[in-house]
Amino acid sequence: QQQVKQSPQSLIVQKGGISIINCAYENTAFDYFPWYQQFPGKGPALLIAIRPDVSEKKEGRFTISFNKSAKQFSLHIMDSQPGDSATYFCAASYSGYALNFGKGTSLLVTP
Amino acid sequence: NAGVTQTPKFQVLKTGQSMTLQCAQDMNHEYMSWYRQDPGMGLRLIHYSVGAGITDQGEVPNGYNVSRSTTEDFPLRLLSAAPSQTSVYFCASTESDSGVYEQYFGPGTRLTVT
Repeated sequence: QQQVKQSPQSLIVQKGGISIINCAYENTAFDYFPWYQQFPGKGPALLIAIRPDVSEKKEGRFTISFNKSAKQFSLHIMDSQPGDSATYFCAASYSGYALNFGKGTSLLVTP
Repeated sequence: NAGVTQTPKFQVLKTGQSMTLQCAQDMNHEYMSWYRQDPGMGLRLIHYSVGAGITDQGEVPNGYNVSRSTTEDFPLRLLSAAPSQTSVYFCASTESDSGVYEQYFGPGTRLTVT
């Protein structure tokens, strides 16, 4: 049973636009929510992560918004660039170690 | 500092064969894990280890075996390969720093079972 549900499955955004990817979880014991970026042929790499004691975290053009009551969190990519084209995975865990991943979102940023 | 290394990069097995996927890290991380990635399924945890001599099962452990004799190495064994094990396998080691847990993933092993 998928513990983290991610949408959309794919996303096309114009250069300079905002990319938004959403995730939802059921297990209220989860206390760590990272986002990973994966380029073709490579392993995933940590992009940004948040804990439920804050509602938003920003690192450069990447922002996580977290809604604890709704059990939802999202990734916003501001000023999207063609180099951001990749697959993005949200994840959740209650230890920081054993991650439960969403199914991924394939992002294409067009010039 | 090589990070996480995995060998082989590609492997083709026949049904019923066994093999070991190698994983090594040189960052002195205690926690290591194995994931499989299938199209449209994301990454699913197979087994993990919190230190030498300690392993535990993840979400999809059936058909796989692990051991952890050293901090550096965490091999994954396929006991009797099945076509359902065709996948890309990623090994990861985790660093914990100020509440942020960064999993460093290896480059992956692409396995095909015929």
